[in-house]
Amino acid sequence: RKEVEQDPGPFNVPEGATVAFNCTYSNSASQSFFWYRQDCRKEPKLLMSVYSSGNEDGRFTAQLNRASQYISLLIRDSKLSDSATYLCVVNRRTNFGNEKLTFGTGTRLTIIP
Amino acid sequence: GAVVSQHPSWVICKSGTSVKIECRSLDFQATTMFWYRQFPKQSLMLMATSNEGSKATYEQGVEKDKFLINHASLTLSTLTVTSAHPEDSSFYICSARPGLNYEQYFGPGTRLTVT
Repeated sequence: RKEVEQDPGPFNVPEGATVAFNCTYSNSASQSFFWYRQDCRKEPKLLMSVYSSGNEDGRFTAQLNRASQYISLLIRDSKLSDSATYLCVVNRRTNFGNEKLTFGTGTRLTIIP
Repeated sequence: GAVVSQHPSWVICKSGTSVKIECRSLDFQATTMFWYRQFPKQSLMLMATSNEGSKATYEQGVEKDKFLINHASLTLSTLTVTSAHPEDSSFYICSARPGLNYEQYFGPGTRLTVT
């Protein structure tokens, strides 16, 4: 089983729509959680951290459910510029004492004009 | 702030040759740098974690003698792919972190093609 699982999509949604992505992680020792976006052939960029209390940044809302080991991202009023691959990422400490980010394979989103 | 550069941005080399990729933190000192690899339509996979002045810690399945990592200063880490083969063709991305509780900042990546 993959450590981080995401629906690969693609999600094709009209501009202005609301879209939700989900992600599950298998390692209960995971400590922190993030959503990144990655544009084609580019590096990933941090979109937002995810907390159990839920957090919002403009049109983006992220939520973490530790009991279910489930992470979500909601995008409201989607824009053409939101088209990208969204990566669910978890962070945990390894046996060597390092911190390790584990990336999901990403969910591809295309906003249609 | 928090800019990480990589050089080269893309490279084509012949099978059997070695390729060196540089990762630099331009406006901060990075106590830790990370090297990732991403094959097409797959997730980023951590290859190794490098702390300045010490040997890199490699992930399971990553050959340390094939992927040589040097982190000699707080602003520079290098990854050398030795005796490259076509299956090493991939997108190599580094990241750097100023300290333990800081975000990782990613470089723009290096696209390696081995012919």
